[in-house]
Amino acid sequence: RKEVEQDPGPFNVPEGATVAFNCTYSNSASQSFFWYRQDCRKEPKLLMSVYSSGNEDGRFTAQLNRASQYISLLIRDSKLSDSATYLCVVRSYGGATNKLIFGTGTLLAVQP
Amino acid sequence: DGGITQSPKYLFRKEGQNVTLSCEQNLNHDAMYWYRQDPGQGLRLIYYSQIVNDFQKGDIAEGYSVSREKKESFPLTVTSAQKNPTAFYLCASTSGDILAKNIQYFGAGTRLSVL
Repeated sequence: RKEVEQDPGPFNVPEGATVAFNCTYSNSASQSFFWYRQDCRKEPKLLMSVYSSGNEDGRFTAQLNRASQYISLLIRDSKLSDSATYLCVVRSYGGATNKLIFGTGTLLAVQP
Repeated sequence: DGGITQSPKYLFRKEGQNVTLSCEQNLNHDAMYWYRQDPGQGLRLIYYSQIVNDFQKGDIAEGYSVSREKKESFPLTVTSAQKNPTAFYLCASTSGDILAKNIQYFGAGTRLSVL
């Protein structure tokens, strides 16, 4: 089983739609959680950290469920510019400080 | 502007050749990392360094080597022992600040192909 698993998609949605991505992680001792965005042939960029209480940044809402070991990202009112791959990232416990485990990503395509 | 600079953007390797990918940061970050990304796969950690003159193997270190002689520089050498080097290579760094230390910032990457 992969340490971090995501539905690869693609998710094809019309502009204005609400779309949700889920991600599961296997290590119950994981400490920190993030969503990164990666545009085609570009580097990943931090979209938002995920906090236990859930957090929102504009149209983006991230939630963490420690009991079920999953993280979600909700995008409201999708824009064409939201088209990208969204990477779920988990900080592993032990071993290297700041060692991050990356999911394979979920591809979002927002259609006009 | 502060950031991470990777060069070259594209690199071609001949059979049996060693090639070196450059990564320089002016963010004054302590830790630096090298990842490899293949299509349909997540980023995989090759090597990382938390302090100058020290580095550790990641999950897929075989066929690679690194050095960390300066805080701002963490070059990666892809040796001839790496039989499948074609990939997108990403360098990242992290601040030592306790509030920000989990956030990794990435360079623009180097695409390596085999001739």
